[in-house]
Amino acid sequence: GAVVSQHPSWVICKSGTSVKIECRSLDFQATTMFWYRQFPKQSLMLMATSNEGSKATYEQGVEKDKFLINHASLTLSTLTVTSAHPEDSSFYICSAREGLDSAEQYFGPGTRLTVT
Amino acid sequence: GQNIDQPTEMTATEGAIVQINCTYQTSGFNGLFWYQQHAGEAPTFLSYNVLDGLEEKGRFSSFLSRSKGYSYLLLKELQMKDSASYLCAALDSNYQLIWGAGTKLIIKP
Repeated sequence: GAVVSQHPSWVICKSGTSVKIECRSLDFQATTMFWYRQFPKQSLMLMATSNEGSKATYEQGVEKDKFLINHASLTLSTLTVTSAHPEDSSFYICSAREGLDSAEQYFGPGTRLTVT
Repeated sequence: GQNIDQPTEMTATEGAIVQINCTYQTSGFNGLFWYQQHAGEAPTFLSYNVLDGLEEKGRFSSFLSRSKGYSYLLLKELQMKDSASYLCAALDSNYQLIWGAGTKLIIKP
């Protein structure tokens, strides 16, 4: 089956620093990748959608200069949280799908970010 | 606007049956997903319905009525490991997933 990995699985960083999270599709080419954020006891919140080779589309209320998304290849997307603050502490999950009109998204295992 | 409604929390007894309902309103519709999510983990795929009717997969079944904008997930022979959040998500006309807030299912012995 389709496998998506994320690295790191957890990270602790100091306020003001930047953190990069990688999302890879291991056995398929991901035309589209999605980045979600989930706060405790809340549902997934879509942050942005990225198609390979083009700029990400950010959801309303998500700062694109703070959450930098790069989808440079069909198997890798990165999310960089710049100038992290404690309120950015959350569970970040990526997902990927093969085709633009494919129904299913395959989820990575998530990255727990704690900003101190 | 687009909206997904599902109960916040449900409680059931080990060995019993539970039905989790979901209603949706989306711009276009390309199917309805159910995911299971244990605390601290990413969602895992349970089912996908795009046609009306019931699809059975082991202890889990999922039902869809497109005319009513309604789906349910049926879990039989509940086990303690089924304690988790169950997320309903509808795929809109742009193939974007619209997520419900999730239903926390508590299983009691």
